[in-house]
Amino acid sequence: EVQLVESGGGLVKPGGTLRLSCAASGFTFSSDGMSWVRQTPGKGLEWVSYISNDGKYIYYADSVKGRFTISRANAKNSLYLQMDSLRAEDTAVYYCARIEYQLLTSDWGQGTLVTVSS
Amino acid sequence: QPVLTQSSSASASLGSSVKFTCTLSSGHRSYIIAWHQQQPGKAPRFLMKVEGSGRYSKGSGLPDRFSGSSSGADRYLTISNLQSEDEADYYCEMWDSYTRSWVFGGGTKLTVL
Repeated sequence: EVQLVESGGGLVKPGGTLRLSCAASGFTFSSDGMSWVRQTPGKGLEWVSYISNDGKYIYYADSVKGRFTISRANAKNSLYLQMDSLRAEDTAVYYCARIEYQLLTSDWGQGTLVTVSS
Repeated sequence: QPVLTQSSSASASLGSSVKFTCTLSSGHRSYIIAWHQQQPGKAPRFLMKVEGSGRYSKGSGLPDRFSGSSSGADRYLTISNLQSEDEADYYCEMWDSYTRSWVFGGGTKLTVL
């Protein structure tokens, strides 16, 4: 069974930093791309960032480009999102997601809440 | 920037059927999409992929009540014999190779009467 478990969320002040982690199990992590997707409370889903299985291809949404950095450690079955220069509008639940071969989301984590507020 | 258009809400009675529509923007009519379900207070769950040909492939364990289809720029998700647990938000998703980004529709909130 595929499991994606996020951690690292919390309350941070505007301009602050936070690092999210996602522990993956139940599939061959090094074979699949991974994404981060966020959801503002009561709103829809917004894709944030993607990293290919080998880390060679990395993409960001314009809203986070230059502030967020995605990375992965295949030996640890882990995905990360370094979030710098956080803004109030970054407040959301952040989901770790597995991307299958047709580049669509096939599995979701349970999410971790990030709140940016003074 | 591609757009996926969904109705904001839908309602149907217990035991009946409902059909959701996800419309791809011009230039993306042939794209494959995924449907996801998000029950209240829970994380999204992958349901199925639907190709432009109408072929669809479901996630593991998804009941036969769920099916997919396609017509032109529209991708459909149909749920028959509605159950109370089907009350949820339903999102469609696509990958755009030109902008190298993922796009989600605004979601349709289903109320089961």
